[in-house]
Parts: sequence; C-alpha cells; structure tokens
Amino acid sequence: GAVVSQHPSWVICKSGTSVKIECRSLDFQATTMFWYRQFPKQSLMLMATSNEGSKATYEQGVEKDKFLINHASLTLSTLTVTSAHPEDSSFYICSCLAGDYNEQFFGPGTRLTVL
Amino acid sequence: QKEVEQDPGPLSVPEGAIVSLNCTYSNSAFQYFMWYRQYSRKGPELLMYTYSSGNKEDGRFTAQVDKSSKYISLFIRDSQPSDSATYLCAMTGGFKTIFGAGTRLFVKA
Repeated sequence: GAVVSQHPSWVICKSGTSVKIECRSLDFQATTMFWYRQFPKQSLMLMATSNEGSKATYEQGVEKDKFLINHASLTLSTLTVTSAHPEDSSFYICSCLAGDYNEQFFGPGTRLTVL
Repeated sequence: QKEVEQDPGPLSVPEGAIVSLNCTYSNSAFQYFMWYRQYSRKGPELLMYTYSSGNKEDGRFTAQVDKSSKYISLFIRDSQPSDSATYLCAMTGGFKTIFGAGTRLFVKA
C-alpha cells in the first residue's frame, strides 16, 4: 500500500505558540489529503480536505484561521495549529487518497500536547 | 441517527476465538466499504476493501457486506493477542468517507 509519513510524531508546546505538522506521501503523488483529529478513545473527526494548489475545505465547526492548511505540492500538506491552547491537545492524523479505488492511506499521526 | 453505527466495545475474547465486528449504515449511496485497524497511538491501517455484497477473504480476515440490510462485518479467525487493536469500519459513496466509532478488541493469551 501507499506510504504516508508525518512529522513530527509528537510535539509539546506552550500555550499561545504555533505548531506545524507535515504530511508527506512517500511513493506516490496525492492530489487530495485529509486532516483528522482524534481524541482518546474516540473515532476520527475529519477537520478538512486539502487539495493541491487550492484552498482547503474545512468541516463545520473547524476554525480555518486557527488550523491553517497548505498543500503546496503533490507530496506535501502542512497543518499549522496557530495560538495553540490546551484544548487543542489531540492526536492529529493525515491521510491521502491512493490505490485503484481511491482508498485512504493514513499517516502514523502526530500527538500534540499543549501545556 | 448517525450515518454509520459501530459498537465501541470493548470486546474481549480468548486467543484462538473467532471475532465478529459489525457496522450498520443508513445511507444507501455508500458503495465502497473498508475496515481499518488502529493500534494505540498509531494511524489507522487499511485491512480490507470491498465493493459489492458478499464475502472477501484475506488470510484470517473475512469482510462481509450485505447491502440489502445495510450491514457489514469483519471476521477474524484464530485471533491472536497481536490482533488487539481498535477496528474502524468506513464507507464512501463518492468523495467523503464516513468512519464508524471503532470497536476496541482485546485478545487474551
């Protein structure tokens, strides 16, 4: 299957700072990438759909000015959590569409802890 | 009513047991059905992908789809402690994929 990487795998930051998370497709080009958030023992919550070369599409209730998404190339999308607060602490996972049936392949996730 | 319903468990079984995981859905537009396995603090891993009603087998895993009942299942034969994880069903009828809540499975040695 397609390989997706994320960096960093975990990050701890102070409240009020910004954090950037990278999502890369390693062996294929991804026109579309997705960003999810997952709280402990809960399912995936889609935050936004990222399309290469265009603005991301955010789900209802997700602040686009707080969660900045940039999909500047076919292999890289970034999520920047601006002015992070403790309630933003979560597991952030990206995925890419690939394969014969446009399945979603997920990255390993980034655990964000905001102090 | 949620578009996809999945019992969160936890489900605890002895090693070697046959495990049955299920999801129901309400949107008849769903055409593609997936099962993902997620270990703790890891991203989900695609296990099975099915399109039509019927069974699809891959090793110890069998995915079953019943479109008339809007019901999908994942069976795990000869379960192992390494199968302990959260299993998420997912389905799509076009561009957006809807995930179930995930069922936490524990296989005891």
